Amino acid sequence: GQQLNQSPQSMFIQEGEDVSMNCTSSSIFNTWLWYKQEPGEGPVLLIALYKAGELTSNGRLTAQFGITRKDSFLNISASIPSDVGIYFCAGQLTRGSTLGRLYFGRGTQLTVWP
Amino acid sequence: NAGVMQNPRHLVRRRGQEARLRCSPMKGHSHVYWYRQLPEEGLKFMVYLQKENIIDESGMPKERFSAEFPKEGPSILRIQQVVRGDSAAYFCASSPGETNEKLFFGSGTQLSVL
Repeated sequence: GQQLNQSPQSMFIQEGEDVSMNCTSSSIFNTWLWYKQEPGEGPVLLIALYKAGELTSNGRLTAQFGITRKDSFLNISASIPSDVGIYFCAGQLTRGSTLGRLYFGRGTQLTVWP
Repeated sequence: NAGVMQNPRHLVRRRGQEARLRCSPMKGHSHVYWYRQLPEEGLKFMVYLQKENIIDESGMPKERFSAEFPKEGPSILRIQQVVRGDSAAYFCASSPGETNEKLFFGSGTQLSVL
């Protein structure tokens, strides 16, 4: 199956700091997505990216679709304690097709100290 | 998590028993995906269903696992003769179909096999 390499595996930061994480793939993806998962819950979609080079923001979150279409980045500015959770990147090889399953990275565990 | 309902939240089974996991997609969604998550790992695709049809089951083990999404009622993931290695969190996601990549996840079923 497709391999998504997500880094870093974990981050421990102080409230107010900015956070960066990234995801790389051996394959070209047509869609990149970023999800957040909190304990005991399913992943919640944060940002979806559809075009190479696209930069999209959702509040303090900004994500970019890499030019090579093999990577994506997520930045969180001015982190707050409720940002704690596991952030997953996910990629889709085809868009809008019946076979558009998502491939997930292993996640970045974010801890924010007050 | 945007209305995808999964039950039960926790399921304990002894080795050799059957596990049945249910998923009711969001209203108006006719596409259902099942994913499995092991501790400290990302989600792994299992199966993709539309009403009364299995579209892609390539991520599902060939033996003991089956899934259905009947015309009426929830989608069911069935695991027969469970083994300890089946212990995991099982997540269901649904989409309206036009934008398959925007999957909305349920809160998951945590299966523990004793």
